[in-house]
Amino acid sequence: KAGVTQTPRYLIKTRGQQVTLSCSPISGHRSVSWYQQTPGQGLQFLFEYFSETQRNKGNFPGRFSGRQFSNSRSEMNVSTLELGDSALYLCASSSGGRGFFGPGTRLTVL
Amino acid sequence: AQSVTQLDSQVPVFEEAPVELRCNYSSSVSVYLFWYVQYPNQGLQLLLKYLSGSTLVESINGFEAEFNKSQTSFHLRKPSVHISDTAEYFCAVSDRGYYAGGTSYGKLTFGQGTILTVHP
Repeated sequence: KAGVTQTPRYLIKTRGQQVTLSCSPISGHRSVSWYQQTPGQGLQFLFEYFSETQRNKGNFPGRFSGRQFSNSRSEMNVSTLELGDSALYLCASSSGGRGFFGPGTRLTVL
Repeated sequence: AQSVTQLDSQVPVFEEAPVELRCNYSSSVSVYLFWYVQYPNQGLQLLLKYLSGSTLVESINGFEAEFNKSQTSFHLRKPSVHISDTAEYFCAVSDRGYYAGGTSYGKLTFGQGTILTVHP
């Protein structure tokens, strides 16, 4: 099976812009979670989707949003980017209590 | 709420020496426990997990971890490390029983990571 894929792998934006990141889970996995990784805050949970429904949400401002499509692919959107949003954004798909992480999208906000 | 504490931010060791990376957690509910490894410029890879059953879990590359409920710990050990084990290791917990059917992953709470550096 193909692993979790994330696009794009690298992204450079400027403050105030918005960005959409995409995650394609492993075939058959219906759960997709998103995490933000920064040197200062470490790995932090953003949200989880299961069968197109958001099941859990982390402690992030409303500028961070996501959705999941009927084919389980997921997108996350960050509006009005701030410098502090620079991070590695990781997506994980899971089934049966085991999660598989994608390689991440490295977002740089200038 | 859950929390994870990795007691060492950096652990330097020599090749072929044993190593222990310490992890303690706090949770008001039963949890699943995980260790992930992250190599430079890569995503996270699952090293091993404890869901239920035997408290000693092993990975295919020689690492093992033991779930100790009374001490709320899940320390990672390897009897003899290699240069290739140099990486950052993350301990994580997720609550169990939140999702019916066991087909969902839940929310992972991670520790701050331990950088393992193996010297020749």
